[in-house]
Parts: sequence; structure tokens; C-alpha cells
Amino acid sequence: GAGVSQSPSNKVTEKGKDVELRCDPISGHTALYWYRQRLGQGLEFLIYFQGNSAPDKSGLPSDRFSAERTGESVSTLTIQRTQQEDSAVYLCASSLGILQENTGELFFGEGSRLTVL
Amino acid sequence: QQQVKQSPQSLIVQKGGISIINCAYENTAFDYFPWYQQFPGKGPALLIAIRPDVSEKKEGRFTISFNKSAKQFSLHIMDSQPGDSATYFCAANRYGGSQGNLIFGKGTKLSVKP
Repeated sequence: GAGVSQSPSNKVTEKGKDVELRCDPISGHTALYWYRQRLGQGLEFLIYFQGNSAPDKSGLPSDRFSAERTGESVSTLTIQRTQQEDSAVYLCASSLGILQENTGELFFGEGSRLTVL
Repeated sequence: QQQVKQSPQSLIVQKGGISIINCAYENTAFDYFPWYQQFPGKGPALLIAIRPDVSEKKEGRFTISFNKSAKQFSLHIMDSQPGDSATYFCAANRYGGSQGNLIFGKGTKLSVKP
């Protein structure tokens, strides 16, 4: 596709369940980001992948959160033992490379809305 | 703590008016300042960006003003239109070092009344 694709678009789960959110970046984009957007809030950085470098996990809020990326393609964000405070829109973005080497534009998907009951 | 502080939280402007959104940052190492626009149900999209070697950048009705000494930058939307109604986020990125991500403000919800 032409843009960043995320699935599912909506996910309702029960507290304590595990969820997986998927992101397909734009083809050729080496950098991939995950952000969290709580209702009425800004964008909270979670994790950043760049090529084969070790990911920057400094934004992950707890060890219940993890993410993987296969090469320079699909990424999966996993939340274990979900809590109600995990309810948010999870946004994925990709870019051509590390920000100092291009214009810095991040291309965002439409997000996965997670509701934890 | 590296932050970008954005104000106001919400803004109502009449059609044809000027919308002004302000941001302030703390870390003088920041050297890239984009603004993103987000419509409901969509992901944010880059609107305009500036680097600290210039004090102003204009693209159509959108202008960024940058004050390096005050560590502030602002977005001006001239001749605001109802189609500009969206949430606007300022952001900053520190080139080099360990951060490869954008730090976002909390957003400003703009409503342009016809």
C-alpha cells in the first residue's frame, strides 16, 4: 500500500488479556516508531527501530510492553496482562531513515484503538 | 527532562481570522521543529517544519516563527478556514545523541467557526 498500515483498527479486550498490534510501514522506510495517544493527550513515544541497530526502548512504560520488527518490514507491539490505563490509540510511523539524514518527516498510520474493559 | 510545552489547549477562531499556537522547549540541543496536523480518526501528518538557522518559514497560509533566544516557536494560520479545524502538535527532535524520535507537545484543538 501507499501508506503505513495498522491492524486491527479497533480492539476491545478484557483486563489481564494479552494483545498484539501490527504495523506495516511504507516500503523502503528503514525507521519505524510506535507512539501512544491517550484521549485528549499528546503523542507519547514508546519505541524506535532503525535498520539493524538495537531498538530504542526508552519510552516503553513497563515490562508488559514489548515490540519486535522483522528486518525493515512489519512490526508488532505486544501488551501483556492489559490494564485499563493501557486504553489508548497506538500509532505507528515510519520514515526514510534516521532523522538527521532526511527531512525528518514521519508518516503515521491511522492507529489501533485499544479499549481495555 | 526534555519537554515541549504547547498552548493553548484549545482555540476557537472565526473564519478568516488568525490562529496562533505557541510552543516552548527546554533543551537547546533541539534543532528541528515540525508541526503536525491531525484530523479525527487519522494519524498526524507533517504540516510545516523549521530549523533554528532561520527565524521564520512560510508555506501558503501557514507560518512558523522561531525565537531561538527565548526557546519558543509558534504556528500562525492566516485566513483560517473551517477545513483547518483539527488538532495541531508541535514537536522537536534532537539530532545526534541517543534520541531518534520526536518529542510532541500535548496538542491544540483548533475549531474554525464559519
